[in-house]
Amino acid sequence: KQEVTQIPAALSVPEGENLVLNCSFTDSAIYNLQWFRQDPGKGLTSLLLIQSSQREQTSGRLNASLDKSSGRSTLYIAASQPGDSATYLCAVLLPVKTSYDKVIFGPGTSLSVIP
Amino acid sequence: EAQVTQNPRYLITVTGKKLTVTCSQNMNHEYMSWYRQDPGLGLRQIYYSMNVEVTDKGDVPEGYKVSRKEKRNFPLILESPSPNQTSLYFCASSFQGVATFLNEQFFGPGTRLTVL
Repeated sequence: KQEVTQIPAALSVPEGENLVLNCSFTDSAIYNLQWFRQDPGKGLTSLLLIQSSQREQTSGRLNASLDKSSGRSTLYIAASQPGDSATYLCAVLLPVKTSYDKVIFGPGTSLSVIP
Repeated sequence: EAQVTQNPRYLITVTGKKLTVTCSQNMNHEYMSWYRQDPGLGLRQIYYSMNVEVTDKGDVPEGYKVSRKEKRNFPLILESPSPNQTSLYFCASSFQGVATFLNEQFFGPGTRLTVL
């Protein structure tokens, strides 16, 4: 069964630092991987979606990479700001004909950017 | 504005009293899904729907029902709620579903349910 893990569970950095969040999955048979942020008590906001055939996606200060063969994705945040403080979740989307879960989320990384 | 809406946002109920949480999207998405989020367990998929009248179980479907009679609506039904269904629930939708580059999932604001 597909499992998704995220390291670290929590991270605190000073403002301006560049940082990397990690997401690992056990089965490389995924269609896509999506990164979200979740603010306390709020819903999920989509950040980046990487197709299985792609290696990376960029949006502003965010860059996400995908290495299917090793079961890893990283989210790179450049020049972090206090407004980046949130929980970051990765989710893998599985092929339609699999017999197990369609979408599996990682447990998240709680990021705190200190002014 | 393109969005996923859920109602109610907050609900406190008692064991055994049937309830429905509504979900609606205005983006003409085929794929819709329900998740629950619990501390220490993260987000888990309850049910999903690839299109009208097509639904399937996710990771934790026990105790829940869904229906997809219209493309825009995907209600979550708890026939006999129990305290272990106390959770934060999210509805999501995406274009078509897996296998297209447009299948980014959009989430509703969440429904916090407490079952006493």
